[in-house]
Parts: sequence; C-alpha cells; structure tokens
Amino acid sequence: ETGVTQTPRHLVMGMTNKKSLKCEQHLGHNAMYWYKQSAKKPLELMFVYSLEERVENNSVPSRFSPECPNSSHLFLHLHTLQPEDSALYLCASSRQRGETQYFGPGTRLLVL
Amino acid sequence: DAKTTQPPSMDCAEGRAANLPCNHSTISGNEYVYWYRQIHSQGPQYIIHGLKNNETNEMASLIITEDRKSSTLILPHATLRDTAVYYCIVRVQGEYGNKLVFGAGTILRVKS
Repeated sequence: ETGVTQTPRHLVMGMTNKKSLKCEQHLGHNAMYWYKQSAKKPLELMFVYSLEERVENNSVPSRFSPECPNSSHLFLHLHTLQPEDSALYLCASSRQRGETQYFGPGTRLLVL
Repeated sequence: DAKTTQPPSMDCAEGRAANLPCNHSTISGNEYVYWYRQIHSQGPQYIIHGLKNNETNEMASLIITEDRKSSTLILPHATLRDTAVYYCIVRVQGEYGNKLVFGAGTILRVKS
C-alpha cells in the first residue's frame, strides 16, 4: 500500500461512452500526476498538478480531461476514446512537484 | 528520452544477491538517480534514489560510481516476489520542473 488509491481498477468502455477515473492520495502531498502505460511501451507522463493547478500537459488529446478539485483528489475524464487509448492509467503523487513519486495500482482501461 | 541504459533482462537465483546495472553517462551534476520496480500490471514501486553517495534502505542498496556515469541496484537476498521490471531513472530538469522519464527497464526473473 503506497497511500495512493485508484478506482475503478478495471474499465471497459465503448468509443461513445463518457467515464471518469479517480485517484486519491492519503499522504498529504501537494503534487499529483497522470501517466499512461500502453502495452510494451514505457510510462508516458500525461498531466502534472501542483497545489491543484495544472502545470504540465504533455500534448495529450482533448478527449482526456483532467480535474484536480483539491490536493487529495485527481480525476481523468474520458470521452469519445479510441481503441488505441486502451492502456494502464497510473496516478502518482509527491510531496512537492519533482520529488519522489508514489504510484497507485492503476486502472486497466479497454476501449472497444 | 530516457537518459539511462539497462540490460533488457536478467536472471537471479532465489536467496542470492541481484545486481542490476545501469549506465547514465550523460548525467548532470545535480540530477538524481532513481530506481523503481513494477510487478506485472501493478503501479511502479519506489525503491531508492541517490545523488553521489551510496544509499541503503530496507529494500535495497544503491551503488553509484565516483564519476556518476553508472550505478548498480543491489537486492541482497532476492526472493521470487522480487521478479519484476526494474527501472533506473535519471530525474531530469524539464520545462516545468523536475521529472521522471521511464525507459524500458530490466526484467528481473528470480528463479528457485
């Protein structure tokens, strides 16, 4: 247990659906991150939030929409995804941006 | 792009020390070396990090060469549960602050 939880752990959705991934950290950290891990590819950083402000967006398509309502919660809203978006989506947090990151267990997403 | 080079895979006998090498010849003076591991389909787990000096914690030891161009992660008594992908990462200064750039890692197989 790293103190970072993610729900749901598994998700199957159609290309026309709208769904949200949730991440919660119980570590009192100020920075949170979304990563994508596709099959046989390294982790790719998607978004970085520091003190609830988005500070980095690595050219992620607009069908992925992050939200950070407070320093403990991070969401990734999904809409009109493509099959190639199927991947493991990982959330992480750190005390401050750039410090040691602690990862959640991930959400395994399948887009049909 | 990742700044590290690791062997794609290694085998280790259960109970023996696992020594995982990493080359980071272009590392800058203020960049830290981080090690994470990822057990199949789970989130990456933080192991250890260091700058210049050797480091040890309850999980592993990190040996960094004097010129800082390479390092070795040592698991002193490997168990079957240590089978995972091990990532050696140089924490780099990105446009928006320090960031971790994951590479392909080393698949460590611990065998009985």
